[in-house]
Amino acid sequence: AQSVAQPEDQVNVAEGNPLTVKCTYSVSGNPYLFWYVQYPNRGLQFLLKYITGDNLVKGSYGFEAEFNKSQTSFHLKKPSALVSDSALYFCAVRNGGANNLFFGTGTRLTVIP
Amino acid sequence: NAGVTQTPKFQVLKTGQSMTLQCAQDMNHNSMYWYRQDPGMGLRLIYYSASEGTTDKGEVPNGYNVSRLNKREFSLRLESAAPSQTSVYFCASSEAWGAQGYEQYFGPGTRLTVT
Repeated sequence: AQSVAQPEDQVNVAEGNPLTVKCTYSVSGNPYLFWYVQYPNRGLQFLLKYITGDNLVKGSYGFEAEFNKSQTSFHLKKPSALVSDSALYFCAVRNGGANNLFFGTGTRLTVIP
Repeated sequence: NAGVTQTPKFQVLKTGQSMTLQCAQDMNHNSMYWYRQDPGMGLRLIYYSASEGTTDKGEVPNGYNVSRLNKREFSLRLESAAPSQTSVYFCASSEAWGAQGYEQYFGPGTRLTVT
C-alpha cells in the first residue's frame, strides 16, 4: 500500500530564513514523488517532481526537494522564505505500477514578515 | 490557454438533490481526475479517466458517477446528495496515465455544501 506522511500541520518561518516542509512516504517499488502548493481558494499548483536521476530536484519559485531513499523522505526546501510563500503544501506519491496519486494531509506554511 | 476550468464555483444543495459538476481542459491531455478535499484529509481520488472512453473508480467512488464526454470534458454527478458529500471538489488532468510520472494540473475547485 502507498502512503504519505506530512508530520507537521503547521510550519512558521521568518522571512529571509530557510524553510523546510517534511514529507515521508511508503511505496512498494520505485516512488514517483511530487510537491504541490495551494493558495487560498485556489486549486493545487505543481511545484516539482522526482522520477529518477539526481536526488536534488529544483522546481518553481526557487523551491527544491531532496529525495532520500534510505530515509524514504522527500523534504521541500527553499533557501530564503518570502511572505508570498505562505500557503498549504502537499506531498504526493505513486509507484510506477499504481493507478492512484496519494496525497499527504498538507502542511500550512506561514512566513512571518 | 485557460488550463483546467470547473463550473460552478459554489453550490448549495439540499439532501437528496442531484447535480453535475463540469470540468474541461484545453491542454490536450489524455487523462482526467476528480478529487475531493476535506479538512485534515488531503485530497482523495473519486474517479479517473485514463483516456477518452474509459473511466475507473478511485479511492472514494460511492455516491458519485462520472462521464468522459470527450477528450476535453469530464463531469462528476451526484445523484442523491448527502451531507457527507459536503466538500471541495477538484478536477485535474495530466498528459497521460501510467508509469511516466506525469504531473497533474488542477482546476480552481467547486465548493459544495449539502444541507
